[in-house]
Amino acid sequence: EVQLVESGGGLVQPGGSLRLSCAASGFTLSTYDMNWVRQAPGKGLEWVSYISDSGRTTYYGDSVKGRVTVSRDNAKNSLYLEMNSLRAEDTAVYYCAREAPPSMRDAFDVWGQGTMVTVSS
Amino acid sequence: IQLTQSPSSLSASVGDRVTITCRASQGISTYLAWYQQKPGNAPKLLIYAASTLQSGVPSRFSGSESGTDFTLTISSLQPEDFATYYCQQIKSFPYTFGQGTKLEIE
Repeated sequence: EVQLVESGGGLVQPGGSLRLSCAASGFTLSTYDMNWVRQAPGKGLEWVSYISDSGRTTYYGDSVKGRVTVSRDNAKNSLYLEMNSLRAEDTAVYYCAREAPPSMRDAFDVWGQGTMVTVSS
Repeated sequence: IQLTQSPSSLSASVGDRVTITCRASQGISTYLAWYQQKPGNAPKLLIYAASTLQSGVPSRFSGSESGTDFTLTISSLQPEDFATYYCQQIKSFPYTFGQGTKLEIE
């Protein structure tokens, strides 16, 4: 079964750091570009970050640029999101999502169940 | 690229035909996807490339494109279709989502 499972969320103080993980199974992670998407409580979806299949290319949303780093370890079938200088507005459920091949116009075809990050003192 | 999705909420009944619109601020070809999200769950891909149904998605869902205007149509609402729907452009970074349309039972 194709699956993504996020972990690492939790309660962190403003200014703190957190590292999210996303474990992939049922498919070969190294052949897919991957993304992180977040959703604040009661709000819509916000794209956070992209990483290419090799890990050589990354992009970030403006709201997290400079504070977040995406990485991956294809040998471990894992994706990561390192978040620093966290703010209250970073409070959200964080999803990892697989980007489908170009034949599917790069839609996000597989999503994890999400991990909750709460930034509060 | 901004996506303007409308309406933001919609009340309808089982059996109704509903249409949700997503307008892009610039051309995105067919790099548009539609997702369904139910409370407490991750989004689920319904349609990719503007009009192609994802495997396993019921045929009552359809998508169309006309320039920078995109529509998601549900031909005959079923009880399980009451959810929030989002459009997304995957043409260029930063990827963006529409604001969402909450479909509620009338």
